[in-house]
Amino acid sequence: ILNVEQSPQSLHVQEGDSTNFTCSFPSSNFYALHWYRWETAKSPEALFVMTLNGDEKKKGRISATLNTKEGYSYLYIKGSQPEDSATYLCAFEDTDKLIFGTGTRLQVFP
Amino acid sequence: DAGVTQSPTHLIKTRGQQVTLRCSPKSGHDTVSWYQQALGQGPQFIFQYYEEEERQRGNFPDRFSGHQFPNYSSELNVNALLLGDSALYLCASSFQGVDTQYFGPGTRLTVL
Repeated sequence: ILNVEQSPQSLHVQEGDSTNFTCSFPSSNFYALHWYRWETAKSPEALFVMTLNGDEKKKGRISATLNTKEGYSYLYIKGSQPEDSATYLCAFEDTDKLIFGTGTRLQVFP
Repeated sequence: DAGVTQSPTHLIKTRGQQVTLRCSPKSGHDTVSWYQQALGQGPQFIFQYYEEEERQRGNFPDRFSGHQFPNYSSELNVNALLLGDSALYLCASSFQGVDTQYFGPGTRLTVL
């Protein structure tokens, strides 16, 4: 059974703080790793699809890195803002289906 | 361009009943996947439809069935509802099952 783990489970930071979370996944038979951002009462929004070891992707203040050999990915948010408050999900792609972690719930206080 | 839409938004059923959830994919997408998110869990893959056929299935009982129509929209049917079927059901669409999956807002099912 493929297992994807995310840590921490939740995070509370002050506006302006930088933060990061971890996603661990099986290192064998890797195809792609997806990051989603999910605000309450909205649809999960795709952030990144990462496929290559050493990959680093950036979208505004959010960036992600990938290490497929050791099976982990980091998501970084620089200078957190209250609008960054959401649950961040990672998902391991396994033959066109996504295996999700339980997410990291981020709350940014003004 | 409309994204993925799902209906209804919320649904309350009793044990033993049957339910049908609906999903319209993003324009240009031909593949629909269904996920169940129970409280405190990440979304779990139920099944995927492509060209009106079930292409893949997760670890869910036969009570969960689906259908895809020629316009690529899809239905998820659950028979003989159990209390444990209470969850948020998410639909995601993609093009030929590859690359990014785009999600709808989900249908919240409560079984009493």
